[in-house]
Amino acid sequence: GAVVSQHPSWVICKSGTSVKIECRSLDFQATTMFWYRQFPKQSLMLMATSNEGSKATYEQGVEKDKFLINHASLTLSTLTVTSAHPEDSSFYICSASTLRGSNQPQHFGDGTRLSIL
Amino acid sequence: SQQGEEDPQALSIQEGENATMNCSYKTSINNLQWYRQNSGRGLVHLILIRSNEREKHSGRLRVTLDTSKKSSSLLITASRAADTASYFCATDDTGTASKLTFGTGTRLQVTL
Repeated sequence: GAVVSQHPSWVICKSGTSVKIECRSLDFQATTMFWYRQFPKQSLMLMATSNEGSKATYEQGVEKDKFLINHASLTLSTLTVTSAHPEDSSFYICSASTLRGSNQPQHFGDGTRLSIL
Repeated sequence: SQQGEEDPQALSIQEGENATMNCSYKTSINNLQWYRQNSGRGLVHLILIRSNEREKHSGRLRVTLDTSKKSSSLLITASRAADTASYFCATDDTGTASKLTFGTGTRLQVTL
């Protein structure tokens, strides 16, 4: 149980393109989803937290107009990287949790490797 | 940065040996979690230990937590080549609504 599907797994696109990444919880309802960014051989850095039906909460230094997050249902959150540039190339990972404010693990997708040419 | 530190950064052992990884953090926590990441993949949850617990076991995994020292350790016993991965500790800090702060990670290589 607790499977999170992230799509696409790999994207290569030209500079200036907008890219949408989907994160779906397949067998549970995710009240909260998280979006992370990971550089090679480094740890995960939280970008934003999204709760179903409300605006995402962005971490300090993350541009909300650059990284648009939508959490329209209890099973789907999307991250759109707008007008992507080479410096946005990275590994993006989503996670989902079932209960807000309790001792529950996060369930991670397999990540999306984004390469901007 | 509130990011936790892990040591060692890299660890290479032979199959059958035990692997110990340490994690230190800076804030007060609700719980501490350990995750595993295979190269280029997402994270897999291994074990969660609450702030009022001191030790927890799951199969070949043993986790300890010392909140007075703000540190935790992960022991993998009788390691296997399939245990090769990066291991991250993550703290669920009090007052942060279940957000996780990840440590810097330990890259474990288990050779035959």
